[in-house]
Amino acid sequence: SYVLTQPPSVAVAPGKTARITCEGNSIGSQGVHWYQQKPGQAPVLVMFHDSDRPSGIPERFSGSNSGNTATLTISGVAAGDEADYYCQVWNSGTDCYVFGTGTKVTVL
Amino acid sequence: QVHLEQSGAEVKKPGASVKVSCKASGYTFTSAGISWVRQAPGQGLEWMGWISVYTGNTKYAQNLQGRVTLTTDTSTSTAYMAVRSLTLDDTAVYYCARGELPDALDIWGQGTMVTVSS
Repeated sequence: SYVLTQPPSVAVAPGKTARITCEGNSIGSQGVHWYQQKPGQAPVLVMFHDSDRPSGIPERFSGSNSGNTATLTISGVAAGDEADYYCQVWNSGTDCYVFGTGTKVTVL
Repeated sequence: QVHLEQSGAEVKKPGASVKVSCKASGYTFTSAGISWVRQAPGQGLEWMGWISVYTGNTKYAQNLQGRVTLTTDTSTSTAYMAVRSLTLDDTAVYYCARGELPDALDIWGQGTMVTVSS
């Protein structure tokens, strides 16, 4: 089965930059989507097709994808960005969506 | 605005079945598929399956194949997810979400808590 591995946690000071990685075999050849989930809430799409932002998502959020690693970058981190973040791909080999293991972002 | 409204919390005994609904509004229901995703307490997201509202075609996660059934009722713009032979491990929040394969899931329901307990 296809596995997407994320760091369990990332801690960042307010105003600094948070980088959340998502590692998977040849993930660079697939479109990656990212979701933000705050406690007790449903996930919210924050990035699709590697680097496209849905309307309403701040420009502080950006994405990249190459080789075996996709990255979600949050610039100028604010307290409201504290949440769990999940990457996701559609794996054509197994014909299913795969979610990453999730990363908890803590704002210090 | 685009919205997915899910049915309320359920408590079931092991071996029972559950059916969760997801009513869509604010867009043409047949224009996009619906995925179902679940999240066990304190755990990550697990994709369960997808249904094309337009064609009725379905795809299921391998580990749930045969126990999960996805359907839609286009007359009421409602999607359904049924799970049979429930076990304690099926205790989770179940979400419906809009999206065509392999695109992102852009709108999510609020979630339905299903508790399996003897």
